[in-house]
Amino acid sequence: KAGVTQTPRYLIKTRGQQVTLSCSPISGHRSVSWYQQTPGQGLQFLFEYFSETQRNKGNFPGRFSGRQFSNSRSEMNVSTLELGDSALYLCASSRDGRSYNEQFFGPGTRLTVL
Amino acid sequence: DQQVKQNSPSLSVQEGRISILNCDYTNSMFDYFLWYKKYPAEGPTFLISISSIKDKNEDGRFTVFLNKSAKHLSLHIVPSQPGDSAVYFCAASAGVSGSRLTFGEGTQLTVNP
Repeated sequence: KAGVTQTPRYLIKTRGQQVTLSCSPISGHRSVSWYQQTPGQGLQFLFEYFSETQRNKGNFPGRFSGRQFSNSRSEMNVSTLELGDSALYLCASSRDGRSYNEQFFGPGTRLTVL
Repeated sequence: DQQVKQNSPSLSVQEGRISILNCDYTNSMFDYFLWYKKYPAEGPTFLISISSIKDKNEDGRFTVFLNKSAKHLSLHIVPSQPGDSAVYFCAASAGVSGSRLTFGEGTQLTVNP
């Protein structure tokens, strides 16, 4: 069974630009969550999508948005990039998003904002 | 407000000995706890979990203990192996929040041969 895949793996952008990251969950998984990992803040929850609907949202500004498609693939978008957005962005999938379901993480996208 | 805390940024043990990683939480709504292991340039990998209705869960060399009254959990690895060297994250979720995980800061475990 293929794992969670994320593209691209590495990305360099400049301040003010926007970026779109992609996540393909494990086949059969309907819930996709996104996390941001930075050295200072650790792993922080961005949002969760289930059946194309955002079901949960963390404490991030509106510049961070996402969506999920009918095949459960998900994208997240960050507009007007700031230096502080440099981070590892991880997505995780689970069967139905219930708390007792194990979440499987992808390898992440390393975003650098210059 | 750090709701999940791992107070030890690093831990070093000898191969074959026990590794004990600790985690404290403050949110009483948390009812499911997980441990993840992370190698550089990879995403976290699920290790073991425990529901709040239990106080212990074992899986091979890994055992997680939960003390609800103290809001404390620990991960025991016995015996420790050099391949266990990685960053270990404690995470918690509340049933009402679905799959949203709140992570600790992580503990770098180094197992010396």
